Amino acid sequence: KAGVTQTPRYLIKTRGQQVTLSCSPISGHRSVSWYQQTPGQGLQFLFEYFSETQRNKGNFPGRFSGRQFSNSRSEMNVSTLELGDSALYLCASSLVGRGSTDTQYFGPGTRLTVL
Amino acid sequence: QKEVEQNSGPLSVPEGAIASLNCTYSDRGSQSFFWYRQYSGKSPELIMFIYSNGDKEDGRFTAQLNKASQYVSLLIRDSQPSDSATYLCAVNLIQGAQKLVFGQGTRLTINP
Repeated sequence: KAGVTQTPRYLIKTRGQQVTLSCSPISGHRSVSWYQQTPGQGLQFLFEYFSETQRNKGNFPGRFSGRQFSNSRSEMNVSTLELGDSALYLCASSLVGRGSTDTQYFGPGTRLTVL
Repeated sequence: QKEVEQNSGPLSVPEGAIASLNCTYSDRGSQSFFWYRQYSGKSPELIMFIYSNGDKEDGRFTAQLNKASQYVSLLIRDSQPSDSATYLCAVNLIQGAQKLVFGQGTRLTINP
């Protein structure tokens, strides 16, 4: 079974631009979560989607948004990019995103650099 | 107090020895606990999860959970150089949902 895929793998943008990242979950997984990883803050939860609905949200500004499609694929968007948005953005999928034993599997990540 | 705390290391262990990685968490309502391994430049890879008090073994790895002490650990037996990586402890804080909170990770080096 194919793992979580993310595109693109690398992105370079300038301040003020916007960016869209894509994530395809493992086949059969319906929950998709997004995380931001930086050296200073570590891995931080952005949001989780299930059945095209955002179920949980982390403490990030409104510039960070996402959506999920009927095939469970998800996109996240960051508008008005800031230098501090440079990070590795990770997508993780799980079966239903509930229960103690439902585990998340991570994709390879998208490395975003903001200049 | 951080929600999930790990010793950042680096932790250096000789090959063949037992590596012990520790994690504490602040929310007594935490439901499930995960250990991920992350090699430099790669994404986190799930090693194992635990949600009941006690030990859970999987090959060379043993996870230990003590909810009363709010403590979870990972033991790696017969450590190999390929085990050198950063180990991330993650806690699912919300009952019935998934919102993992990660520790900062412990960098482990296995010396041949």
